[in-house]
Amino acid sequence: ETGVTQSPTHLIKTRGQQVTLRCSSQSGHNTVSWYQQALGQGPQFIFQYYREEENGRGNFPPRFSGLQFPNYSSELNVNALELDDSALYLCASSLVQGGLDTQYFGPGTRLTVL
Amino acid sequence: GQQVMQIPQYQHVQEGEDFTTYCNSSTTLSNIQWYKQRPGGHPVFLIQLVKSGEVKKQKRLTFQFGEAKKNSSLHITATQTTDVGTYFCAGPRDYGQNFVFGPGTRLSVLP
Repeated sequence: ETGVTQSPTHLIKTRGQQVTLRCSSQSGHNTVSWYQQALGQGPQFIFQYYREEENGRGNFPPRFSGLQFPNYSSELNVNALELDDSALYLCASSLVQGGLDTQYFGPGTRLTVL
Repeated sequence: GQQVMQIPQYQHVQEGEDFTTYCNSSTTLSNIQWYKQRPGGHPVFLIQLVKSGEVKKQKRLTFQFGEAKKNSSLHITATQTTDVGTYFCAGPRDYGQNFVFGPGTRLSVLP
């Protein structure tokens, strides 16, 4: 096990609603990245937080937003849910050292939008 | 934009046969990582390669980073049913400390 936890494990929402997903990073890790993984595809980078600041963002609209807290846990918020937002949402924690970044993924939150 | 591709998309092998998946990047990479995702699971970090031409082994798995640092391969010798899953390569983006994942190669091993 990686020590990265996510909640909830599964979630069903309807189009237009808002959702908050949570991630607790591995002890000692200061960076959290969020990914969206559609069925049968590779993870797509949403954004990354390093010491509570956003440190890079992928090609996702502003209705995807996030936070990182002083204990380095993190939240992903998605507003105005669309059907295409149905996916597995993964967070990955890491400790950036010497420019290298090994990511440890949590089990994910399976979001279904009806 | 930066792209990471993998071939093949799917591979079905008989248990005991070898398996290779190839990863190609549109840009030169400072390093490359490999992950394995079991069905219904999450990606699990396997290895990171940094040096041009680097070869690393983990038991039956052999990882290679190309001389130009734009391609990589994962070779599994004598596959077992426990090798079933999707294998992803990931390279760092042109900016920041985050990664672009390839689409993955899904491996099925028939007993």
